[in-house]
Amino acid sequence: GENVEQHPSTLSVQEGDSAVIKCTYSDSASNYFPWYKQELGKRPQLIIDIRSNVGEKKDQRIAVTLNKTAKHFSLHITETQPEDSAVYFCAASGPRNQGGKLIFGQGTELSVKP
Amino acid sequence: GAGVSQSPSNKVTEKGKDVELRCDPISGHTALYWYRQRLGQGLEFLIYFQGNSAPDKSGLPSDRFSAERTGESVSTLTIQRTQQEDSAVYLCASSRVSGRAEEQYFGPGTRLTVT
Repeated sequence: GENVEQHPSTLSVQEGDSAVIKCTYSDSASNYFPWYKQELGKRPQLIIDIRSNVGEKKDQRIAVTLNKTAKHFSLHITETQPEDSAVYFCAASGPRNQGGKLIFGQGTELSVKP
Repeated sequence: GAGVSQSPSNKVTEKGKDVELRCDPISGHTALYWYRQRLGQGLEFLIYFQGNSAPDKSGLPSDRFSAERTGESVSTLTIQRTQQEDSAVYLCASSRVSGRAEEQYFGPGTRLTVT
């Protein structure tokens, strides 16, 4: 089945710097790759997603890139702010016959120091 | 509109007891998912209800775990004979359609502590 690896597990940056989180997946049939942000004690919330028919997607300070050949995708946050501090999870969809099932990475704890 | 809700928010139980966790998805969402999140860990898939199709139970860790869903509404996750390793936050999520991966909306979770 699908396996998703996420790195790094922790990341500390200075306010204003960029942060990059990387994920790899194992199933070449995966076609949907969301990123979720989970603040301490709160529920995960979608921040950006990408489908396999595009290579990059941007939304203000965040962007996601996808390399289908290498089976990896990355989250880029520019001009980081203290409120970006949270745990970020990547995910990949399962095979087509498993519908909307998502397999999540282990998470990256991002700390933005003022 | 109302988001995904879960109850109870916290549950403390003794080892060996059964527990039942409830999830109310967003109205009209046909897909519903249960995940387990141990402290400091990622989201572990448990089960997926997809409209009228048979549920995907491939993530249930043992036969002590079961889940039901009534039509396209409420779902309950039951853990029988609870063990200390069952202690975790159990998250429910729903999405608009089945059969296609898209945004999942999460509930606030139920924190289960087995003593």
